[in-house]
Amino acid sequence: QVQLVESGGGVVQPGRSLRLSCAASGFTFTLSNYGMHWVRQAPGKGLEWVTVISYDGNTKYYADSVKGRFTISRDTSKGMLYLQMNSLRAEDTAVYYCGRYDASVQGMDVWGQGTTVTVSS
Amino acid sequence: EIVLTQSPGTLSLSPGERATLSCRASQSVSNNYLAWYQQKPGQAPRLLIYGASSRATEDRFSGSGSGTDFTLTISRLEPEDFAVYYCQQFGTSPYTFGQGTKLEIK
Repeated sequence: QVQLVESGGGVVQPGRSLRLSCAASGFTFTLSNYGMHWVRQAPGKGLEWVTVISYDGNTKYYADSVKGRFTISRDTSKGMLYLQMNSLRAEDTAVYYCGRYDASVQGMDVWGQGTTVTVSS
Repeated sequence: EIVLTQSPGTLSLSPGERATLSCRASQSVSNNYLAWYQQKPGQAPRLLIYGASSRATEDRFSGSGSGTDFTLTISRLEPEDFAVYYCQQFGTSPYTFGQGTKLEIK
């Protein structure tokens, strides 16, 4: 079935780096319909959009809160999405979800279960 | 950046009642690319409505609106509908979310 599975979360000190992964299965990862997003949710808070990458990896957008620190990428041969997070801050503590955006649906129709990142000394 | 403001913050209703949730944008959402999601505790969000009015789920959920004013309506509340609801716009990056409306049992 169509599935996204995140991994790579954990506890990290402020200023350090972490890379999140999202494994896609059950659909054609390279179809031009599918952009891939990262969305996060701080404890007890609402959803915050983080970043998106186009189906071919050529277009990327970031929220101002992570611009210059986070980098989104994808490996189409492996069906993998990544989020490289550098210079982490306490306010980056959140559950991080990857999600599939289907342009024919105009919404994020498939979500992973989330991976937790805690930035603390 | 388009700011989405959802109201009310909390809505207290009983099963069987009708729920009306609002999402107002600080500027027009291009092509009405506005989606609604439901999120239950400990779960990922679930897409309900896309393109402001197209349904991705049960037909008791409906969306309407255009430009800057959008509405999610749940015609007859079921026990499993009590959750938090978010709107999100895909018209212009950054693809912002509203702050959410919590639908609770009265």
